[in-house]
Amino acid sequence: NAGVMQNPRHLVRRRGQEARLRCSPMKGHSHVYWYRQLPEEGLKFMVYLQKENIIDESGMPKERFSAEFPKEGPSILRIQQVVRGDSAAYFCASSPHINTEAFFGQGTRLTVV
Amino acid sequence: SQQGEEDPQALSIQEGENATMNCSYKTSINNLQWYRQNSGRGLVHLILIRSNEREKHSGRLRVTLDTSKKSSSLLITASRAADTASYFCATAARLNSGGYQKVTFGTGTKLQVIP
Repeated sequence: NAGVMQNPRHLVRRRGQEARLRCSPMKGHSHVYWYRQLPEEGLKFMVYLQKENIIDESGMPKERFSAEFPKEGPSILRIQQVVRGDSAAYFCASSPHINTEAFFGQGTRLTVV
Repeated sequence: SQQGEEDPQALSIQEGENATMNCSYKTSINNLQWYRQNSGRGLVHLILIRSNEREKHSGRLRVTLDTSKKSSSLLITASRAADTASYFCATAARLNSGGYQKVTFGTGTKLQVIP
């Protein structure tokens, strides 16, 4: 059973471009969380999804950011018109159901130049 | 509001000593988890303690949970240089609708173990 897979590991985008970050949860996991981590800081919750549903997006900026977790395929975090401040590590975690630990991917490090 | 707050923010100890990190939170939780992160890497799950548990052990790790004080502690005994990392607590709290839970992280404790 492979762990949570995130790709790409590193992503460089110019200001104004779009960034797409992918997360394949562990097999059998239907809950996915996305977090953002700035250098030397903790993880900030962004969004919580279950298959085809956004459960909680209270941590996601209202503009330019969106997330989905389709019935088939990975969860996608999409950032449109990226700005320098979007540069961060984005982590995805999955869990099979509530009240269990979440397993993390290795993260995608986004650099906006 | 920030759910988990770790204390101290940074801790530096000699190899062989014990390291204690604390985490306080604000609302009722389903469980509390501790994670470790090496610099520039992903998070590794260390231990989960449920709201009806008071203490848990895993190897050199000991976690306590006091729901009346809304706090938890992580103790690493006989520390090693390889324990140098950031440690985060994460609280899982039930959302209002649908029985879902949200996992939020504290700001972390940076532990340095000096050989």
